Amino acid sequence: GAVVSQHPSRVICKSGTSVKIECRSLDFQATTMFWYRQFPKQSLMLMATSNEGSKATYEQGVEKDKFLINHASLTLSTLTVTSAHPEDSSFYICSAKVQASQETQYFGPGTRLLVL
Amino acid sequence: RKEVEQDPGPFNVPEGATVAFNCTYSNSASQSFFWYRQDCRKEPKLLMSVYSSGNEDGRFTAQLNRASQYISLLIRDSKLSDSATYLCVVIFSSNTGKLIFGQGTTLQVKP
Repeated sequence: GAVVSQHPSRVICKSGTSVKIECRSLDFQATTMFWYRQFPKQSLMLMATSNEGSKATYEQGVEKDKFLINHASLTLSTLTVTSAHPEDSSFYICSAKVQASQETQYFGPGTRLLVL
Repeated sequence: RKEVEQDPGPFNVPEGATVAFNCTYSNSASQSFFWYRQDCRKEPKLLMSVYSSGNEDGRFTAQLNRASQYISLLIRDSKLSDSATYLCVVIFSSNTGKLIFGQGTTLQVKP
C-alpha cells in the first residue's frame, strides 16, 4: 500500500517556540493531504485540508495563523505550530490521498508534540 | 449531537468470543463508511470499507443500515491481537473527502 512518513516522530519544545512537522508521501504523488489532531482518549479531528499549490482549507475553530500549512510539492506538506503552548500538546497525524477521486486515505505514523 | 458516535467501551472479552460494535452517524446524506483500527500511540489503519450490502473479510463482518443510520462491526473468534481501538469513519461528501471519525471503541481481548 501507499506509504506516508512524518518527521519528527516526537518533539518536546519550550512554550513560545515554533515546531515544524513534515508529511511525505514516499511512493506516490498526493494532490491532497490532510492534517489531524488527536488528544488523549478522543477521536481524530481534522484541522485542515492541504492541496498542492494552493492555500489550505482550515476547519472551523482552527487558527490558520497559528497552524501554518505549506504544500509546495506533490510529495510534501508541512505543518508549523507557531508560538506553541502547552495546550497545543497533542498527536498530530497527516494523511494523503493517492488520487483525488479516491476516498482511501493513507495515514502517516503521527508526531507527538509536547510543549513544556 | 456528535456527527459520529460510538460507545467508547472498553469491551473486555475472552479469546474466541464474538464481539460487535455499533456506530451511529447524524448526516443522512453520508456517502461512505469505514472501520479503522488504531493501536495505542499509533496512526489509524484502514480495516475495511462498509458497503450497503454488507461485507465480510475473514473474521470481520461490517454492515450498514442507512435507514437507521448505523454501522456495525462484528469480530468472530477474537484473537489477542485484535486488542485495539476501532474507529468508525464516515465521509459526508465525496467532494471534500473529509473523514469524520468517531471517538473509537476500545477492545481488550483477554487470554
